This record gives sequence, structure tokens and C-alpha cells, in this order.
Amino acid sequence: AQKVTQAQTEISVVEKEDVTLDCVYETRDTTYYLFWYKQPPSGELVFLIRRNSFDEQNEISGRYSWNFQKSTSSFNFTITASQVVDSAVYFCALKEGSNYKLTFGKGTLLTVNP
Amino acid sequence: GAGVSQTPSNKVTEKGKYVELRCDPISGHTALYWYRQSLGQGPEFLIYFQGTGAADDSGLPNDRFFAVRPEGSVSTLKIQRTERGDSAVYLCASSSGRVTEAFFGQGTRLTVV
Repeated sequence: AQKVTQAQTEISVVEKEDVTLDCVYETRDTTYYLFWYKQPPSGELVFLIRRNSFDEQNEISGRYSWNFQKSTSSFNFTITASQVVDSAVYFCALKEGSNYKLTFGKGTLLTVNP
Repeated sequence: GAGVSQTPSNKVTEKGKYVELRCDPISGHTALYWYRQSLGQGPEFLIYFQGTGAADDSGLPNDRFFAVRPEGSVSTLKIQRTERGDSAVYLCASSSGRVTEAFFGQGTRLTVV
């Protein structure tokens, strides 16, 4: 069965600090897809990134970067020089290649203080 | 429309009543999903549509829950004999394919009193 663990329930940082959100996943499929979503106070889930299991190349998009390591079943998300607008709940999610459902972690509440 | 649209945004109903929640996906998206999010939790899968048919309804908690998508676009989630435990935010998402990213609506906050 697929499972996603986000061990950090809440993180609080001061603006301009770097912060890493951890995500560990479990799956028996060799083909799977990993996602990160942001949920600001408004409630809408905003898609950030999708990675395929066969592509371990790390990715950077502006202040955001993602580190995918199959050896440790982790897909961590780093925000560099955090800003107050980054405050939100961040969800990591997994979709196995053999089915349709996204399995989400419980989320990490990030608070960036000015 | 530009994004996934869900109506109503909020719904308060009495225990035992019937409710319908509507989802209008992104135009052209063939895949549509319903999820339920309880306070402090991640979204939980309810049902997946590919076109008009429910390809996977394994997440529906019991037979009081039902969803339809008769023309392969708009979907309605129906809950009969609502219970207080049904209170949650119901999220709808759509995608262009099975493995592509899903885009979510704002959700319907259902409160059963």
C-alpha cells in the first residue's frame, strides 16, 4: 500500500531563512509519481511540482528546489530565502503507476515570520 | 473556465438531510477526482472518473455517498442521510491524464449540525 509521511507537523522560521520540508514515501510499484502542493489560508491546493520515479534529477525553480532520492525514498522540498507569502500548509503526495489515487501526507504547516 | 469550480463554497445542513456538491472541471480535462479533507489532515481520495464512468470508487466511505458525471464534464457528489462525521471540506480536482498533475478547486466546506 502506498504511504506518505511528513514528519514535521509545524515549522516556524524568520523571513530570509532557508527551510527544508521532509517527505518520505512507501510504495511497491517501480513506476510512481511524486507531487508537492501548497495550501495557503484561502484553502485551495496549488500544484508545485511533479516528479517521475525514473527521473532522479533534482529541480530548482526560483527559490524552490526539490531533492529526490530513491535510495532513501525521500522527496524533500527546500525554500531558499523564505518570505511571509510562503506561509502555508505544504503537502507531499504519491501516485502509483498502477492506480489513479493521490495519497497525501498529513502536511507541514510553515509559518514565516517577518 | 480557467480553473476547477466548486459550488457551493459552504454548505450547512441538518443531520439526516440530503446534499449535493457540484464540481465543474477545467475544460478538456477527462479525469476528475473527489477528495475529502478533515481538519489538520491531508486530502483523502474518494472517487475517480475517467470520462463519464467511475473508474475507481474505492474511497467512498459507505453507500450514503454517490457521485455522477453524466456527460463527462460536471460532476455531482451526493450524500444521503448526512451525519455529523461527514463534516469536512470536499475537494474536486481534474487532470488531463492519469499521471499528470491534478488541479484542485477551492472546495466545499460541509457542516452537518
